[in-house]
Amino acid sequence: EAGVTQFPSHSVIEKGQTVTLRCDPISGHDNLYWYRRVMGKEIKFLLHFVKESKQDESGMPNNRFLAERTGGTYSTLKVQPAELEDSGVYFCASSPFPGEAFFGQGTRLTVV
Amino acid sequence: GDSVTQMEGPVTLSEEAFLTINCTYTATGYPSLFWYVQYPGEGLQLLLKATKADDKGSNKGFEATYRKETTSFHLEKGSVQVSDSAVYFCALTKGDYKLSFGAGTTVTVRA
Repeated sequence: EAGVTQFPSHSVIEKGQTVTLRCDPISGHDNLYWYRRVMGKEIKFLLHFVKESKQDESGMPNNRFLAERTGGTYSTLKVQPAELEDSGVYFCASSPFPGEAFFGQGTRLTVV
Repeated sequence: GDSVTQMEGPVTLSEEAFLTINCTYTATGYPSLFWYVQYPGEGLQLLLKATKADDKGSNKGFEATYRKETTSFHLEKGSVQVSDSAVYFCALTKGDYKLSFGAGTTVTVRA
């Protein structure tokens, strides 16, 4: 069974540009989450989808971040315009039920 | 709000040494507790978990016991190997699907 897949694995962009991260969850997992680890600090929750609906987006840092989940399948996280402080590793996870989150490898975003 | 505090790294030790990574938490109610591990070049993997007080989670020679009286979930392994080199994250959830993580502890095991 395929795991959670994230694209790209690395991205380097200039300040002010737009970047879109993609996550393909495990098939059949209704719950999809985005997390972020900045500067070697703790991994922080960004948002949670149940199917195509945003269940909790309390961790989204500001309106430069937009997450979507088309048809309840894959999800995208767009940062527009990117700022230096957005650099970090963005993790996606999916789960069929609470706590058993399966994580992807992460996307390392560097804004220069 | 809920939070997790784990010992700062990095931790460097020799093969066959004993490893302890301290983790304490602050949360209302009865959270479930987890240890996740990220090996070099890989994603986060669930290492072990405990869902109620006094439960012991174990996997790959690692153990952690859910201590409600001390709000702790320390990770231990009696004899580490080079392949245990990774970043270890303590985390909790209260069943609302949202995980709260500690800052991570980088462990390097030398041959």
